[in-house]
Amino acid sequence: QKEVEQDPGPLSVPEGAIVSLNCTYSNSAFQYFMWYRQYSRKGPELLMYTYSSGNKEDGRFTAQVDKSSKYISLFIRDSQPSDSATYLCAIVPHGSGNTGKLIFGQGTTLQVKP
Amino acid sequence: ETGVTQSPTHLIKTRGQQVTLRCSSQSGHNTVSWYQQALGQGPQFIFQYYREEENGRGNFPPRFSGLQFPNYSSELNVNALELDDSALYLCASSPPGDTQYFGPGTRLTVL
Repeated sequence: QKEVEQDPGPLSVPEGAIVSLNCTYSNSAFQYFMWYRQYSRKGPELLMYTYSSGNKEDGRFTAQVDKSSKYISLFIRDSQPSDSATYLCAIVPHGSGNTGKLIFGQGTTLQVKP
Repeated sequence: ETGVTQSPTHLIKTRGQQVTLRCSSQSGHNTVSWYQQALGQGPQFIFQYYREEENGRGNFPPRFSGLQFPNYSSELNVNALELDDSALYLCASSPPGDTQYFGPGTRLTVL
């Protein structure tokens, strides 16, 4: 079993839709939870990170962590064609601080159609 | 822009050869990590350097080695290249107490 599971998609939605991206993880000792966006042939770009259960909002993006269920989500409101990319969840094990090694999911490819 | 640069952008090698990839991060970023991303997969942690010392290693063989220099640059060396080493190699650096910011990557093709 992989430490972080993420549905690779692809996920295709119309412009303006609400997008829900999800990951599950196996180790309850994981501490920090990140979401990265990666455009084709580019490096991952940090969108958001959090270390506690609950919601964190930044503009059109909301990150949600449920430690009891070992489940993290990223919601994108009013999705735009420019949001078309691969979204990667990443988790840092406890004790590493937020600079510790990142354990990534496989990534979900999102396409937002005009 | 993250301020992390990598060179070269892409390169082609043949099996058995050796390769050196380079990364330059911003002043003050005292932690650098390297990741391998195969096509269609998430990045896999290779190793991390903190203040020029290795500070953690993933499940990669010893033919993957690295260096971090006082000027915040870093190298990833891979010896005896194999076909499965073909991937995007990502460098990520961190300022103290902050998370990791990635460079654009080097795409390596092994023939």
